[in-house]
Amino acid sequence: DQQVKQNSPSLSVQEGRISILNCDYTNSMFDYFLWYKKYPAEGPTFLISISSIKDKNEDGRFTVFLNKSAKHLSLHIVPSQPGDSAVYFCAASSLTDSWGKLQFGAGTQVVVTP
Amino acid sequence: DTGVSQDPRHKITKRGQNVTFRCDPISEHNRLYWYRQTLGQGPEFLTYFQNEAQLEKSRLLSDRFSAERPKGSFSTLEIQRTEQGDSAMYLCASSLYSGTPYEQYFGPGTRLTVT
Repeated sequence: DQQVKQNSPSLSVQEGRISILNCDYTNSMFDYFLWYKKYPAEGPTFLISISSIKDKNEDGRFTVFLNKSAKHLSLHIVPSQPGDSAVYFCAASSLTDSWGKLQFGAGTQVVVTP
Repeated sequence: DTGVSQDPRHKITKRGQNVTFRCDPISEHNRLYWYRQTLGQGPEFLTYFQNEAQLEKSRLLSDRFSAERPKGSFSTLEIQRTEQGDSAMYLCASSLYSGTPYEQYFGPGTRLTVT
């Protein structure tokens, strides 16, 4: 039962341009969302999060948008840099239901080209 | 703050053997999670502890799997009678739960290969 879906397995973007990663979820109990970045042979690294009481959260080059009615969130990276090449995971949690355990999407491989 | 550490980083074992992995969380974190990740998938929740109490176990966690966090600090995950389907990356994460939204910080993982 895949409750968090990242339908694009890969994304190629030119350095300096915007990267847009998408994520959909099905469980209406989810109220906290996170994006993680993963390099090969390392564990996921936390990037940015958003609570369901907001529709946007920004941290430097990273912005996450949440559309609760569509059960959709997106991560914008601008400008994209070569070091952004990694796998990005969307994760969701219900703070009142599942005690904070995270449910992850399958990930999107981002490649930033010069 | 040295982050979350896991040992070993890699483990190759023969089917039927038992294996044990260790996780050392960030020192002040009271919650510790275990996840499993297979190729092409995101991490899947296995179990978690708040201090030394194991509060939830996934149905993915068969009877061959057991986890402990005896003193509320490090944790171990044991797999008995390993099967080839157990081959995966086992990730540990920790967080400081204080009633408000929080992030989980992951270790580098232990890659298990069952031959």
